[in-house]
Amino acid sequence: AQRVTQPEKLLSVFKGAPVELKCNYSYSGSPELFWYVQYSRQRLQLLLRHISRESIKGFTADLNKGETSFHLKKPFAQEEDSAMYYCALSTNYGQNFVFGPGTRLSVLP
Amino acid sequence: DAGITQSPRHKVTETGTPVTLRCHQTENHRYMYWYRQDPGHGLRLIHYSYGVKDTDKGEVSDGYSVSRSKTEDFLLTLESATSSQTSVYFCAISESGRAAFFGQGTRLTVV
Repeated sequence: AQRVTQPEKLLSVFKGAPVELKCNYSYSGSPELFWYVQYSRQRLQLLLRHISRESIKGFTADLNKGETSFHLKKPFAQEEDSAMYYCALSTNYGQNFVFGPGTRLSVLP
Repeated sequence: DAGITQSPRHKVTETGTPVTLRCHQTENHRYMYWYRQDPGHGLRLIHYSYGVKDTDKGEVSDGYSVSRSKTEDFLLTLESATSSQTSVYFCAISESGRAAFFGQGTRLTVV
């Protein structure tokens, strides 16, 4: 079965510090991995996907198939980055879209 | 933002009553999903649809049913609402799994 884990429920960093949100997955095939962000009481928004290898709002993520990880990184955190972050896995061309439990990022002034 | 609307946005209902939530899309995406979001659990898949009249169960489907009679509409029904179904419900759409786009959510309270 497909599964996504995010080991940290809460991550607090100071403004300007580097951030790494961890994500690990289990899936025997070739997954598509995504990061979503949810600001307070809003809808989830797609932040980035591994196939596009883009950087959004300074965030990047690299798929490591050997370690089955897709960690989200940003070199210098900003206060507006404070939000809930979800890692997600898509399999079978979208038939199964599974989310991790989420990590709440708090960027302190 | 992708064209997804959920209705109602907020609802309070009594235990034992049936409740139907609606998700409407204007993107003609094949896949539609219903999730519930609860503290400590993140998003859990309730049901999903891969086409008109084609649906399947997710992780937490007990007590819920769905229907998709048109590409654009995906209905979630709580057959007999219980307090454990108090949650925020999100609908999402996807085309071939490239990405899922979410609605604004429905906050349901069962009293």
